[in-house]
Amino acid sequence: QQKVQQSPESLIVPEGGMASLNCTFSDRNSQYFWWYRQHSGEGPKALMSIFSNGDKKEGRFTAHLNKASLHVSLHIKDSQPSDSALYFCADLSNYNVLYFGSGTKLTVEP
Amino acid sequence: EAAVTQSPRNKVTVTGGNVTLSCRQTNSHNYMYWYRQDTGHGLRLIHYSYGAGNLQIGDVPDGYKATRTTQEDFFLLLELASPSQTSLYFCASGTTNSDYTFGSGTRLLVI
Repeated sequence: QQKVQQSPESLIVPEGGMASLNCTFSDRNSQYFWWYRQHSGEGPKALMSIFSNGDKKEGRFTAHLNKASLHVSLHIKDSQPSDSALYFCADLSNYNVLYFGSGTKLTVEP
Repeated sequence: EAAVTQSPRNKVTVTGGNVTLSCRQTNSHNYMYWYRQDTGHGLRLIHYSYGAGNLQIGDVPDGYKATRTTQEDFFLLLELASPSQTSLYFCASGTTNSDYTFGSGTRLLVI
């Protein structure tokens, strides 16, 4: 049972463009959400967390959380080829366990 | 620098064979986790631990055992490996409500 549904499966954006990634979670009691990025051949690395409704901005990255609609998103402004990677959203459970979505493969074309 | 180190990096074994994947963290984190990564499924939790001697069952535990011998060391054991266990395995460590630190992964092929 997938606790976190992630879309799209893959995304291609031009360099300088905006990339938007989406997740829907199933547990209304969830409080903490994370975005992770994984470059080829490496382990995932944390990008940012969000736990309050609304937007959280860190540089070119903005996370948005809407608990009422069980939705979290990540927007990457001015996308760079180095942003090409696999992106995961994750829902932190009460037992300090992260449940990951299936991932979005982002390709930024020069 | 705090880190999570996994070994081996690559492993090939035959069906029915025994495999042990190792993970050591130098982050002084209480929590450690084993995930498997497969295309289309993302990262799925196999086992996790709150501390030395503690073991918790994750979402996909069948065919896997784990043991946390010390604060630093967490092992994943496949006693009768099957081709369905061919995957990329990640170990991670973390503290309460913090991000995880992942290792570089172990790629396992069961033939």
